[in-house]
Amino acid sequence: SQTIHQWPATLVQPVGSPLSLECTVEGTSNPNLYWYRQAAGRGLQLLFYSVGIGQISSEVPQNLSASRPQDRQFILSSKKLLLSDSGFYLCAWSFGAGRNFGPGTRLLVL
Amino acid sequence: QKEVEQDPGPLSVPEGAIVSLNCTYSNSAFQYFMWYRQYSRKGPELLMYTYSSGNKEDGRFTAQVDKSSKYISLFIRDSQPSDSATYLCAMRGSSNTGKLIFGQGTTLQVKP
Repeated sequence: SQTIHQWPATLVQPVGSPLSLECTVEGTSNPNLYWYRQAAGRGLQLLFYSVGIGQISSEVPQNLSASRPQDRQFILSSKKLLLSDSGFYLCAWSFGAGRNFGPGTRLLVL
Repeated sequence: QKEVEQDPGPLSVPEGAIVSLNCTYSNSAFQYFMWYRQYSRKGPELLMYTYSSGNKEDGRFTAQVDKSSKYISLFIRDSQPSDSATYLCAMRGSSNTGKLIFGQGTTLQVKP
């Protein structure tokens, strides 16, 4: 069966610090992978998606970036965090027309 | 106008009640409709998945799609305190590259 891992589960970072969130998928090959952000009362916002190694599409201009160094690894990064980057970050992979989500990383920028 | 509208609630019901959760949408090209359940501090999990119009039942849950009215519903029968969660609708067109559009989510509390 397919499993998706995210870490860390919770992160508290100061404004201006760098960020690296990692997502890995098991039990499937060449998945379409996604990064979403969920802010309180604002629903799920698609940030990036990837259809293969090194292929990244950005949905929203911002100070975040994504990379896919391996088939089942998806990384979300920032060089300098902003207060507005706080939120719940979810990695997902495609399942038919839907998405299977990971457990998420709760990021608080202070 | 948002592509998908969902009343954020919160919705509070007594245990055993029938719950109706709804979403409206504006894009007539949507073909795939989903409901996700999200417990506090957890990732969303797929609850129901339907293609085009009609009803689909799974245990206490029934998903209903009315494409003519651009309206989808999730019914929960004999609601339980364990059903307390946020429910998100999501939908997409027929293209494999189409974006999955989510509603804002409705928070449901079932009181014992």
